[in-house]
Amino acid sequence: AQSVSQHNHHVILSEAASLELGCNYSYGGTVNLFWYVQYPGQHLQLLLKYFSGDPLVKGIKGFEAEFIKSKFSFNLRKPSVQWSDTAEYFCAGGAGSYQLTFGKGTKLSVIP
Amino acid sequence: AAGVIQSPRHLIKEKRETATLKCYPIPRHDTVYWYQQGPGQDPQFLISFYEKMQSDKGSIPDRFSAQQFSDYHSELNMSSLELGDSALYFCASTGGSGANVLTFGAGSRLTVL
Repeated sequence: AQSVSQHNHHVILSEAASLELGCNYSYGGTVNLFWYVQYPGQHLQLLLKYFSGDPLVKGIKGFEAEFIKSKFSFNLRKPSVQWSDTAEYFCAGGAGSYQLTFGKGTKLSVIP
Repeated sequence: AAGVIQSPRHLIKEKRETATLKCYPIPRHDTVYWYQQGPGQDPQFLISFYEKMQSDKGSIPDRFSAQQFSDYHSELNMSSLELGDSALYFCASTGGSGANVLTFGAGSRLTVL
């Protein structure tokens, strides 16, 4: 069965701290991986995606993620977070028709 | 750039009533997906359509139905509403040059009293 798991339910960081949010997936075949961000009261916005090629993908707003096939992981990173990064972050996986399976989400709170 | 448009943005209904949500995909997108996000939950895939035909079905209750019309907009019909149907319903579309990525709408928040 396809599944996506996120390790952290809630992460609290101070501004300028580095961020890494964990995501592991379980898929039978080729998988496309995504990170979405949901700001309070808003819709899901795509941060970055991985389909194939360079396993280190860069997204918007200084975010990046690394696909490590041997670990079935696709962790999201940012070297220095800002207060405006406070949001919920969802890892998602899909194959074929892009019917996405989302992780449970990680709430990020950045303290000024 | 045009985005995915959903209406209404907010809807309040009582138990056992019916509700219809509409989704207008990005122009030239031919595939529409519906997701349900309960309070504090991750989005759950409900159903999708490609070229007006149902392409995939997820955890959509039998009380719900959906269709995609000739102009590619889609409607999600919900009957015999239950309190547990209160959620944010997202529509997403894909197709054309952006075939590999879903673009989500702002969502329709349904509250069942």
